[in-house]
Amino acid sequence: AQKVTQAQTEISVVEKEDVTLDCVYETRDTTYYLFWYKQPPSGELVFLIRRNSFDEQNEISGRYSWNFQKSTSSFNFTITASQVVDSAVYFCALSKRDYTGANSKLTFGKGITLSVRP
Amino acid sequence: EAQVTQNPRYLITVTGKKLTVTCSQNMNHEYMSWYRQDPGLGLRQIYYSMNVEVTDKGDVPEGYKVSRKEKRNFPLILESPSPNQTSLYFCASSLGVSSFTEAFFGQGTRLTVV
Repeated sequence: AQKVTQAQTEISVVEKEDVTLDCVYETRDTTYYLFWYKQPPSGELVFLIRRNSFDEQNEISGRYSWNFQKSTSSFNFTITASQVVDSAVYFCALSKRDYTGANSKLTFGKGITLSVRP
Repeated sequence: EAQVTQNPRYLITVTGKKLTVTCSQNMNHEYMSWYRQDPGLGLRQIYYSMNVEVTDKGDVPEGYKVSRKEKRNFPLILESPSPNQTSLYFCASSLGVSSFTEAFFGQGTRLTVV
């Protein structure tokens, strides 16, 4: 069975602080995908990143960076110099990569509510 | 513009009154699914479909039905809604089971059953 744990439920920071959102996953598959989604107050789900299990390179996109470590089954997300517009709920998700036609559902963590204060 | 469209965005209904939430995608995706989001529980899969006329249960299918008569549409049907189905619902689509890309989500449907 797959599981995603986002132990932090709510984080509050002041604008311009750096913040790291933790994600730990469990899977028996050797091939899988990890995702981060952002859910702003308006409610939609915004895709941020996809990482496959064979690519452990860290990724940086502007103020966002992701650290994938298979050894600790973690896929952490860091926002540098946070801004008020970063206030949202952030979900980490896991999907197995399956060529057999089985359900490729996303298993989500419970989400982290990030509040960035001016 | 590539998108997944859900309707309605907001719905308040009474217990037992059948309703349908529509979902349509314009990306020719094979794989579609429905999720519900509840506080403290994250998103959980209700039903999924790997292609036309192929549907199956997800993790929380009780009280829901789906159909996939056309590739682009995947409606969610609540035959007899109950208050515990009050939730935020998302439809999602992705390219295919064997070439999994990110899931594209609809805007969400906030359902209240009184």
